[in-house]
Amino acid sequence: AQKITQTQPGMFVQEKEAVTLDCTYDTSDPSYGLFWYKQPSSGEMIFLIYQGSYDQQNATEGRYSLNFQKARKSANLVISASQLGDSAMYFCAMREFTSGYSTLTFGKGTMLLVSP
Amino acid sequence: SAVISQKPSRDICQRGTSLTIQCQVDSQVTMMFWYRQQPGQSLTLIATANQGSEATYESGFVIDKFPISRPNLTFSTLTVSNMSPEDSSIYLCSVGDNAGTSGVGGELFFGEGSRLTVL
Repeated sequence: AQKITQTQPGMFVQEKEAVTLDCTYDTSDPSYGLFWYKQPSSGEMIFLIYQGSYDQQNATEGRYSLNFQKARKSANLVISASQLGDSAMYFCAMREFTSGYSTLTFGKGTMLLVSP
Repeated sequence: SAVISQKPSRDICQRGTSLTIQCQVDSQVTMMFWYRQQPGQSLTLIATANQGSEATYESGFVIDKFPISRPNLTFSTLTVSNMSPEDSSIYLCSVGDNAGTSGVGGELFFGEGSRLTVL
């Protein structure tokens, strides 16, 4: 089974609108972290936001917020007031800590296009 | 946050040749990883670069094809050997520590990537 599922291959949004990118995950570890990265066409991976499995509140970083629903195993990224520069590929990723030196497992990504 | 420099940023290579990618970090880090991102795909972990010992490879990746060095806590190299067009990918170096400002386990940082095209 896939550990990270991103069901939206592509999303369109108009500038200044909010958009939600979906991510569901699968783990039996009680301790894990969820990450969102942005990858522009240049190829670099830019860290956006992190949510720990024990965090009581949803993470927020500026225009980014993570809608963490633990029982549903979902960690959706919400981008408020979209900007043209937000057009990029977005990856959800998970890190499971109880399995030792654990690395990031990535979803397949969602391409976001922001139009004027 | 760590600053990671990768070289080369891009290259065009001939089939059958080998290329070494360098990853330099501006601070000592516990963990260094190498990822591959094939065109239009997500990131796949190649191996964990261990300082002072052999790298730990993921299923589907072998040392003969992707030899890795990690001579110290700030530097690692990945070699893509005997390249074929199927090796055309972005190769990304990633670093992290056990604890960081992002909470349990810490954040993983990425280099800018090395975009290889094999003809």
